[in-house]
Amino acid sequence: EIVLTQSPGTLSLSPGERVTLSCRASQIVNTMYIAWYQHKPGQAPRLLIFGSSRRPTDIPDRFIGSGSGTDFTLTIDRLEPEDFALYYCQQYGSSPWTFGRGTKVEIK
Amino acid sequence: QVELRESGPGLVKPSETLSLTCAVSGGSISHYYWSWIRQPPGKGLEWIGYIYYTGSTNYNPSLKSRVTISLDAPRHHFSLIVTSVTAADTAVYYCARVKEAYYDGVIGPEAADVWGKGITVTVSS
Repeated sequence: EIVLTQSPGTLSLSPGERVTLSCRASQIVNTMYIAWYQHKPGQAPRLLIFGSSRRPTDIPDRFIGSGSGTDFTLTIDRLEPEDFALYYCQQYGSSPWTFGRGTKVEIK
Repeated sequence: QVELRESGPGLVKPSETLSLTCAVSGGSISHYYWSWIRQPPGKGLEWIGYIYYTGSTNYNPSLKSRVTISLDAPRHHFSLIVTSVTAADTAVYYCARVKEAYYDGVIGPEAADVWGKGITVTVSS
């Protein structure tokens, strides 16, 4: 199975800062098959990015997905207070689907 | 707005069968895949499997021998059964809706665009 490694484990940042989250795959993943999710305690996970760089219509454009091959990135431009959460990457191109362990973005 | 809600027992005894249901409200069952994902305490998310609205299924090989996902379209819910549970099956269980997409003219699953809030299941005697 494809192992996704997210780094760093935790980031401490201030509102207004730009943050870059990394997701590295153990083998090449087609860009069509990478998603990013935001998860807050007690809430349903929220889809931010699919197809590596595509945003659902209700997701603000400060969330930017990019990457190819084995290296994928989620950038949050200008952190808002509601963006402090856990972020997961996922690949759904190869069975079994797999998730990274997550990066926690916390308030500094 | 589509909402998903998991329901089922919060406590299951070892060796018994875990049964969960996900109620789908506010949207159609058709043209989607319906999936279960879980997160054991202190661990990452683990995909369990999905069922397409046509009834075809795909399971994680690590769980395939013990897992069944079924769909009751007229009643707008889908279910998960895990047999012979152990403490390792203790987790928060999420149901999710997965969009279908066309890949070179072939339909396949995309990302999970709607999730439930999850249900905590503990396996203990």
